[in-house]
Amino acid sequence: SQTIHQWPATLVQPVGSPLSLECTVEGTSNPNLYWYRQAAGRGLQLLFYSVGIGQISSEVPQNLSASRPQDRQFILSSKKLLLSDSGFYLCAWDSHNEKLFFGSGTQLSVL
Amino acid sequence: AQTVTQSQPEMSVQEAETVTLSCTYDTSESNYYLFWYKQPPSRQMILVIRQEAYKQQNATENRFSVNFQKAAKSFSLKISDSQLGDTAMYFCAFDQGAQKLVFGQGTRLTINP
Repeated sequence: SQTIHQWPATLVQPVGSPLSLECTVEGTSNPNLYWYRQAAGRGLQLLFYSVGIGQISSEVPQNLSASRPQDRQFILSSKKLLLSDSGFYLCAWDSHNEKLFFGSGTQLSVL
Repeated sequence: AQTVTQSQPEMSVQEAETVTLSCTYDTSESNYYLFWYKQPPSRQMILVIRQEAYKQQNATENRFSVNFQKAAKSFSLKISDSQLGDTAMYFCAFDQGAQKLVFGQGTRLTINP
């Protein structure tokens, strides 16, 4: 069966520091991959999606970037974190069957 | 741009009661998907139910069912025989294509014993 791993679960970083969040999917090939962010008390906002290795689409302008170095690996990065980058980050995948499955999320606090 | 609106920030019912969560959306497309996701305190996003816009029949998953009114652009979720484990944030979502979901702000549902 397919599983999605996302880490770390919690992260506290100072302003100006770099960021790297990783997400991997098992049990499937060529998935579509997504990064969403959930601000406190709000719904989810799509940040990036990828339909294949090296193919990244950004939905909103921001301080973050994404990369997909392998078929089932999706990385969210920043060179210098801002306070406004704080939030709950969720990785998700789908296998082209109109159902989206989420990872367990990373709570990022930028101080 | 598509928007999704959940007009009920919070709801609270007694265990075993039936509760309906409201959702409206705005789109000019004719073919799309609608979803309800549940986010319990663990914060894991769990798919509850999915509706295909071209299907007139309302989707049902055990105690969960939807009332899909395409003309009114309404997509409400009904939870029957509510259980304590149903306590969670519930998000309505619209699929604008390629699984790029647009989410509502969520409804916090509390089931009281």
